[in-house]
Amino acid sequence: QSALTQPPSVSGSPGQSVTISCTGTSSDIGGYNRVSWYQQPPGTAPKLMIYEVSNRPSGVPDRFSGSKSGNTASLTISGLQAEDEADYYCSSYRSSAYVFGTGTKVTVL
Amino acid sequence: EVQVVESGGGLVQPGGSLRLSCAASGFTFSSFWMRWVRQAPGKGLEWVANIKQDGSEKNYLDSVKGRFTISRDNAKNSLYLQMNSLRAEDMAVYYCTREGVPYGADVWGQGTTVTVSS
Repeated sequence: QSALTQPPSVSGSPGQSVTISCTGTSSDIGGYNRVSWYQQPPGTAPKLMIYEVSNRPSGVPDRFSGSKSGNTASLTISGLQAEDEADYYCSSYRSSAYVFGTGTKVTVL
Repeated sequence: EVQVVESGGGLVQPGGSLRLSCAASGFTFSSFWMRWVRQAPGKGLEWVANIKQDGSEKNYLDSVKGRFTISRDNAKNSLYLQMNSLRAEDMAVYYCTREGVPYGADVWGQGTTVTVSS
């Protein structure tokens, strides 16, 4: 089960916007609206940020938004804040299983 | 408070076995799919297995099929992962998670560490 492809790192200054891409295939991202995104600060457990492509769980700031086009999903963080510095992982449903992305480190400059 | 707490990790020799447990509280455990997700040292997240509310459906990562078994006891609000024939590549922090929103894991434990080494 090969992982979804994410850029290793993205960075931005406070207040800027950054977008993380997550590329899969028609068997996962392209075939279902079942993409989720997770934030993992160093040394902590992951936290759900987005589910079903673009839905935010309660308590997640609306600075975080998700979208999908074809086989690629994206997470955008608007108004970047220092507390957003973390690793981010996408995930998609794939044939009765789940697959995660390779992970992206977001650095706030 | 909604939470899940993993236990049972430790040091095991290659080829050995280990049983992980996850105690759930603060929610109706029997109403949710549950999953195990792992993270090898310095690596990314990897979905391992999931189980339906009544245990009637279970799915596994290809590399653990035939070696790992996921199960649950709804009367005890507990999730389990029996791991046999452990390999070095199974070494990781194992997280218990709840699928509380459609296709998303909204509750995570702190993880339990499995070390496979001779």
